Amino acid sequence: DAGVIQSPRHEVTEMGQEVTLRCKPISGHNSLFWYRQTMMRGLELLIYFNNNVPIDDSGMPEDRFSAKMPNASFSTLKIQPSEPRDSAVYFCASSLSGLLYNEQFFGPGTRLTVL
Amino acid sequence: EDQVTQSPEALRLQEGESSSLNCSYTVSGLRGLFWYRQDPGKGPEFLFTLYSAGEEKEKERLKATLTKKESFLHITAPKPEDSATYLCAVQARENLIQGAQKLVFGQGTRLTINP
Repeated sequence: DAGVIQSPRHEVTEMGQEVTLRCKPISGHNSLFWYRQTMMRGLELLIYFNNNVPIDDSGMPEDRFSAKMPNASFSTLKIQPSEPRDSAVYFCASSLSGLLYNEQFFGPGTRLTVL
Repeated sequence: EDQVTQSPEALRLQEGESSSLNCSYTVSGLRGLFWYRQDPGKGPEFLFTLYSAGEEKEKERLKATLTKKESFLHITAPKPEDSATYLCAVQARENLIQGAQKLVFGQGTRLTINP
């Protein structure tokens, strides 16, 4: 059974360019989470969706960041324009959420470098 | 505000030398405490969920325990392949109508097991 799929695995771009990260959650999961991991700040939640609806985007750092989930099997995180301080590893996670189940399963991550 | 503090930041052990990792937390009503393992260049891998004080869970050489203020991850007779960063996260008991609730992660403990 395929886990969470993320693409690209690595992205190098120049400051000011638009960056789009993609995520395919585990089939049947109804919640999707976007995280960012850096050495300084650790693992931070950016935004999460339940049943394709954004529930909490308080972790999104600025208006330059946006996320969408057009259907149950796909989500994007977009940064426009990108800046060097956005360099980090971005993880997508999914879960089957309910009263009993809460475990989140993470993808392999996208390592973003903004020059 | 929910908070998680892990100690030590880094721990180096000899193969077979048992030890414990600590996770202290403050949360407005704990729904669950989660342990993850993260290898370099990979996403966090789910290990355990603990829901109530006194609960214990085991997996191979790992055992997780939970009190009202902290959790311990005990590692018995570790092997070099147990080397990884171990992350602790809490989930608050909020409005369940919203579905999935976010995780708040600690900074992790980087464990190295020398052969």
